[in-house]
Amino acid sequence: DAGVTQSPTHLIKTRGQQVTLRCSPKSGHDTVSWYQQALGQGPQFIFQYYEEEERQRGNFPDRFSGHQFPNYSSELNVNALLLGDSALYLCASSLRDGNTEAFFGQGTRLTVV
Amino acid sequence: AQTVTQSQPEMSVQEAETVTLSCTYDTSESDYYLFWYKQPPSRQMILVIRQEAYKQQNATENRFSVNFQKAAKSFSLKISDSQLGDAAMYFCASFSYNTDKLIFGTGTRLQVFP
Repeated sequence: DAGVTQSPTHLIKTRGQQVTLRCSPKSGHDTVSWYQQALGQGPQFIFQYYEEEERQRGNFPDRFSGHQFPNYSSELNVNALLLGDSALYLCASSLRDGNTEAFFGQGTRLTVV
Repeated sequence: AQTVTQSQPEMSVQEAETVTLSCTYDTSESDYYLFWYKQPPSRQMILVIRQEAYKQQNATENRFSVNFQKAAKSFSLKISDSQLGDAAMYFCASFSYNTDKLIFGTGTRLQVFP
C-alpha cells in the first residue's frame, strides 16, 4: 500500500499563472481533503471531495478549485497565482463511513515568484 | 467555530527525558475527537495519538500519552523517554462529524538533544 501520494513534490510558478496539484488517496479511501500550510503555520482546510463532488469548503477564494475522479484521486487547481499562495499543500484521504483517521501525503511545496 | 491553540512555539528536551506539549481547544460540539500529529522534515503528517471526547480514559500509545481535561478544554501530549527521532513539529488538531474537517493549531517545534 503506497499510502497517499502527491505530485509534484516541488513546484515554482510565476504570479498570475495557474497550477494543478494531484493526489492519489490511500487504497480503500473514498474522501480527499486538501489543506494549505503556510510557512510556520498549521494546515488550513481548503475543501473536501467525496463522490466526485465538493462537500464542503474552507475560507478560500474561488481561485481555488478541485476535482475528484471516479478512482477517488483528486486535483487541486489554483488560478491567477499570488505570492501569498506560496505554501505546502497537503492532501489527506479518509473513509467517509469509517473511523476518523486521515492519512496525509508528503505534500507539494508551491513557490510563487 | 472550533479553534485550537498551541502556546509553545518551541520546546526542547534531553534524550531519555520526558516533555509535555500543551494544547487548548474550543468547540461547541458535543461529539468530537482530538489528535496529535507529528510533522518531521519529510513534511508528511503522521498521526501520533487520538482521543475520543466521550472517553474519560486518557489515550496512550507506547511512549506517548495525553492528559485530556474536558472541562478545561485542555489536551496535552506527554512524550516519555524522548528519542532523537522525536524531533519534529507537533500539531494538535480537533475534528467533529458536524464540521467534518481537521482544525489545527499553529504547532510546537520539538528539539531533542543528545
